Amino acid sequence: QVQLQESGPRLVKPSQTLSLTCTVSGGSISSDDYFWSWIRQPPGKGLEWIASIYYTGTTYNNPSLKSRITISVDTSKNHFSLTVGSVTAADTAVYYCARVSGSGTRRFDPWGQGTLVTVSS
Amino acid sequence: DIQMTQSPSSLSASVGDRVTLTCRASQTISTYLNWYQQKPGKAPRLLIYATSSLQSGVPSRFSGGGSGTDFTLTISSLQPEDFATYYCQQSYSIPVYTFGQGTKLEIK
Repeated sequence: QVQLQESGPRLVKPSQTLSLTCTVSGGSISSDDYFWSWIRQPPGKGLEWIASIYYTGTTYNNPSLKSRITISVDTSKNHFSLTVGSVTAADTAVYYCARVSGSGTRRFDPWGQGTLVTVSS
Repeated sequence: DIQMTQSPSSLSASVGDRVTLTCRASQTISTYLNWYQQKPGKAPRLLIYATSSLQSGVPSRFSGGGSGTDFTLTISSLQPEDFATYYCQQSYSIPVYTFGQGTKLEIK
């Protein structure tokens, strides 16, 4: 079955850029049936959807995060990526990647195991 | 933006109890509502989608209901492995998705 795995630096300095990659295995990221998303969870808090992308490159961002977010896809490597610019301590969170069904009631399944990114000098 | 509000924020219950968790949307979302279970240190797991459809592999003691703005997740007979935090999530206002703040289900 499809599995997702996040990777990237665990510690980022304030004002710098956070970069993460989600590698998809057991299935193609180029499926017509799915979108691919990033979701984050600050320590002890709830879940926040960040952004989604289709394999064609069509993207959707959370308006609350404005222009700090970039999501991209590399179909040749079967992975998609997230960058968050100008990070602050408020961006410290566990970052999850997840697949989103492309039809019906869209839902996040499966999820990666998550990676904790800490913003600190 | 559609806001999702879960109640209660936390709940204490015993093994074997029947419990119902509630999720309310700030505007109608039809039946575009999903439920997830999250255990400490783990990623969320999809339990129910489209308000009442059980995800493959999820025990039948879990059920969902509702429509419009008010939704429920019911666990018919709590098992030890069910103690976790539960989140609802709307997918009506795609491509923007929002989650509730969660309900933590604890052992009494």
